[in-house]
Amino acid sequence: AQKVTQAQTEISVVEKEDVTLDCVYETRDTTYYLFWYKQPPSGELVFLIRRNSFDEQNEISGRYSWNFQKSTSSFNFTITASQVVDSAVYFCALRGTTSGTYKYIFGTGTRLKVLA
Amino acid sequence: GAGVSQSPRYKVAKRGQDVALRCDPISGHVSLFWYQQALGQGPEFLTYFQNEAQLDKSGLPSDRFFAERPEGSVSTLKIQRTQQEDSAVYLCASSLRRFPDTDTQYFGPGTRLTVL
Repeated sequence: AQKVTQAQTEISVVEKEDVTLDCVYETRDTTYYLFWYKQPPSGELVFLIRRNSFDEQNEISGRYSWNFQKSTSSFNFTITASQVVDSAVYFCALRGTTSGTYKYIFGTGTRLKVLA
Repeated sequence: GAGVSQSPRYKVAKRGQDVALRCDPISGHVSLFWYQQALGQGPEFLTYFQNEAQLDKSGLPSDRFFAERPEGSVSTLKIQRTQQEDSAVYLCASSLRRFPDTDTQYFGPGTRLTVL
């Protein structure tokens, strides 16, 4: 079975603080993809990043960075110097490659509140 | 360019009514997904289309749910004899390529269905 766990339901930080959102996944597939999406108050999910299971390099994009560790089945997301506009619900998702499987499995999300 | 659009944005139905939710994907996108997002939860996969072919409907919760994409573009999700537990936001997403090579999923704003 495939599963994504986002244990942090809600996080509040003060603007300019760094914050890390945790994501732990379970899959038996050797090839799989991991994603992060942002869902602002408007409701439309916005794609942030995709990683495949063979690429464990960490990635940085501006204030965003991602840490992928297969040894701990984690794909954590860090926002540096948070801003009020970062306030949203963030979802981690997993897609396996088992034949016949088309599902993307989403976690329950972490609500981030950045206070001015 | 135009993104994924969904209509109506809000739908209120009395228990037992039939509803039809429409998704207009980005032009030329091969893959189309439907998700159900309950309040405070992550999106849950319902069904997947590759052009007009419905390749996976394993996430449809009951035979009251039916989806189609007859010409490989616009898709309709139909719910017959709505029940209160059907109340949720229904999200549509499209991506350019076919599964499993699907790249970024672009999500629509969703249709919020409330069943009274």
